[in-house]
This record gives sequence, structure tokens and C-alpha cells, in this order.
Amino acid sequence: DVVMTQSPLSLPVTLGQPASISCRSSQSLVYSDGNTYLNWYQQRPGQSPRRLIYKVSNRDSGVPDRFSGSGSGTDFTLKISRVEAEDVAIYYCMQGTHWPSFGGGTKVEIK
Amino acid sequence: DVQLLESGGGLVQPGGSLRLSCAASGFTFGAYPMSWVRQAPGKGLEWVSTLTTGGETTFYADSVKGRFIISRDNSMNTLYLQMNSLRAEDTALYYCARSTFGGDIVSSMDVWGQGTTVTVSS
Repeated sequence: DVVMTQSPLSLPVTLGQPASISCRSSQSLVYSDGNTYLNWYQQRPGQSPRRLIYKVSNRDSGVPDRFSGSGSGTDFTLKISRVEAEDVAIYYCMQGTHWPSFGGGTKVEIK
Repeated sequence: DVQLLESGGGLVQPGGSLRLSCAASGFTFGAYPMSWVRQAPGKGLEWVSTLTTGGETTFYADSVKGRFIISRDNSMNTLYLQMNSLRAEDTALYYCARSTFGGDIVSSMDVWGQGTTVTVSS
């Protein structure tokens, strides 16, 4: 099983400031077809998860461009360039290269 | 609008059974693999099961293998999860999720329902 490890667990951020979340996998997420199936999800309080990013760095339709994903192999990062109040949520990374697995989540809150 | 609507959750005793349903609309249901993902109270997301487009191949997490059965009716645009021999640790909010091709099973889950709550308790 591929273990996804996120850090930090909690991330207090000042409005308008950047935020960065790390996600590491226990195995390489590069698939035999050359793609890296690493996704990021946002779960706002009381809501279902919403996909933000797929294949490391591709933003879903409607996702603000202040969200960006990067990384390769086993190390990945989600960045929010300027945190807004609506970004308060738990963020999860998820790999779909092997049998699916999620990171434990990072809670972004306003300082 | 693409929508997934789960139902069938409830309170069940340990050892009991429950059948969850997920009604899909707004997209060609039979063209997508579908998955169930659960979230225990106050905890993170856990992949449970995935079913291929025609229902020919199923995948299960070790935690539910042999107890849960995933199925679909493409004529009714509906996904199911038959849950047997339920345990307290199965207590969770169960989400239905449209999935995307790629990887060993599915590369991603791009659309999620609102979830249905399953509580296993005596």
C-alpha cells in the first residue's frame, strides 16, 4: 500500500499571505504511461470534498488560479498564493497511480 | 448539472447489513468507473471500493474485502454498495464519487456526492 504523508497537520495563515502544504508518498507516483496521478482536494466545513488539482498541477474548472500544484516522483506541494477566507478547509492529497490512497489532511485556518 | 445523490444510510447493529445507493445524473453514467469513499467522524478520507464501467471488475480496500459488494445498474444510472457483517469501525459518512481512468485502478475522483451516514452501534 502507498502511504501518503501530509505536513503540516494544521496551518494557521494570515489573510492575503501564502500557504504551502507538503505531500509525500512512500513510493514513486509515476505510472507506466508516464503520468503522475497525484490529486489535491479541498473539503470545506460541512461539505463534500472537491477536487482542485489533478495530475500534479492541472487545475479543475472553476478553481481560482491562486491554487497551484507542483512536484514529482514522491514529493508534492499545494500552494495558495494569497489565502482568502473561503480557503478555510482541510486539504487532502490523493494518489491514483497505485491502489488509491489519501493523505491524512492539512487544516488551513485563519490566524 | 452533474450530480450524485447517495441514500440508504442509517443506524444498524454490529453484524447487520445495509445497502447504499447513489443516483447519478447529468452525465453518461455508464462511461465512468465509480467509487465509494468513506470518512469516519472527525477523520480523513478512506477509499473503499471501485467498479469499472460495465461492472465487470471490482476492487476493495482490505478493510472491507469479503464483507462489502459494489455493483451498478447502468440502465438506472445507479451505483450500489451492499454492506454486510458491519462493524463499529465501519461507522462513517459514505461518499459516492465519479472516477477517472488511469493508474492501476482509477487515477482520480472528480465528482462527489453529499454522502450518506452509516452508524454501526448496538
